[in-house]
Amino acid sequence: AQKVTQAQTEISVVEKEDVTLDCVYETRDTTYYLFWYKQPPSGELVFLIRRNSFDEQNEISGRYSWNFQKSTSSFNFTITASQVVDSAVYFCALSEAGWGGANSKLTFGKGITLSVRP
Amino acid sequence: EAQVTQNPRYLITVTGKKLTVTCSQNMNHEYMSWYRQDPGLGLRQIYYSMNVEVTDKGDVPEGYKVSRKEKRNFPLILESPSPNQTSLYFCASRQTGQGQPQHFGDGTRLSIL
Repeated sequence: AQKVTQAQTEISVVEKEDVTLDCVYETRDTTYYLFWYKQPPSGELVFLIRRNSFDEQNEISGRYSWNFQKSTSSFNFTITASQVVDSAVYFCALSEAGWGGANSKLTFGKGITLSVRP
Repeated sequence: EAQVTQNPRYLITVTGKKLTVTCSQNMNHEYMSWYRQDPGLGLRQIYYSMNVEVTDKGDVPEGYKVSRKEKRNFPLILESPSPNQTSLYFCASRQTGQGQPQHFGDGTRLSIL
């Protein structure tokens, strides 16, 4: 069975601070996919990034960066120079490969509420 | 604009009164799914559909029904709603293929009194 753990539940920072959101996952599959989603106060779920299990290259997109380490089963997300608009709930999710007619559902962590104060 | 559209966005109703939450996507996606989000539990899958007329249970299907008569639509039906189905519901769709991200609707907040 697959599992995603986001041990941090709430994080509060002051604007311009860097913040890292942790995600640890469990799966028995050798092929799997990891995702981060953002849920702003308006409630919608916004897809941020996907990584596959064969690609451990870290990624940077503007102020966002992701650190994927298979050795520790972690897929952490860092926001550099945080802004008030980054305030949201952030979910890490795992999907197994899903061959043929398989579901390949998303298993979500419980989310991290990030508050960025001005 | 590519999107997943859910209706209604908000609904307050009473126990036992049948309701349907509609979901429609304009991306020609074969796969669609329903999730519910509850405090402290994150998002859990209710039902999913791999294609037209192909549906199956997710992790928490009790009390729900779905249908997939057309590719674009995937309604969620609560035949006899109960207070424990008060939740925030999301419909999602994705392209066929491994690891494709799911794209979510804006959510439907249901309150069952």
